[in-house]
Amino acid sequence: DQQVKQNSPSLSVQEGRISILNCDYTNSMFDYFLWYKKYPAEGPTFLISISSIKDKNEDGRFTVFLNKSAKHLSLHIVPSQPGDSAVYFCAEGSGANNLFFGTGTRLTVIP
Amino acid sequence: ETGVTQSPTHLIKTRGQQVTLRCSSQSGHNTVSWYQQALGQGPQFIFQYYREEENGRGNFPPRFSGLQFPNYSSELNVNALELDDSALYLCASSLSPSGAYNEQFFGPGTRLTVL
Repeated sequence: DQQVKQNSPSLSVQEGRISILNCDYTNSMFDYFLWYKKYPAEGPTFLISISSIKDKNEDGRFTVFLNKSAKHLSLHIVPSQPGDSAVYFCAEGSGANNLFFGTGTRLTVIP
Repeated sequence: ETGVTQSPTHLIKTRGQQVTLRCSSQSGHNTVSWYQQALGQGPQFIFQYYREEENGRGNFPPRFSGLQFPNYSSELNVNALELDDSALYLCASSLSPSGAYNEQFFGPGTRLTVL
């Protein structure tokens, strides 16, 4: 049973435009939400996070939005750059020590 | 500051064999978590070690076992390998077993192929 879903396996965006990556979850007990970026032959790298008491968190070009009623998480990247091309995973935690990851979305930013 | 390292990078085994994967945690980190990432999937939590004791386990059978050493490095052992065990195995270290999850720093992974 997949508790965290990323329904878009891939996304292509022109350089300079906005990239929007989406994630849906089913467990209402999740209280911490994260995005990781993964390049080939490397482990996931933490990008940005948000706790359940907030609905938005910004860090430079990256903004994460949380809609708790819809159990939906999104990551906005503005402006998108070719170096942003990678696989993006959303992950959720519930105060325990493990994270639940989505299946990932491959972002390609076209120069 | 040395990041999380894993060895070996790649490994090929046959069904029924046993395998040991190794992880060195980032300097100062006392907690290590192991994840399995099958092709086309996200990482799945196997277990976590904190101060040499298992501190939580995901939905994996007992043939997946681990160790953590006094220097906080860790091993993942898998017995009686099955074809479905073919995956990328990721190790992540953190300063503590709880708290902000962005403290989890991942290694590059070990690619295991079971034939």
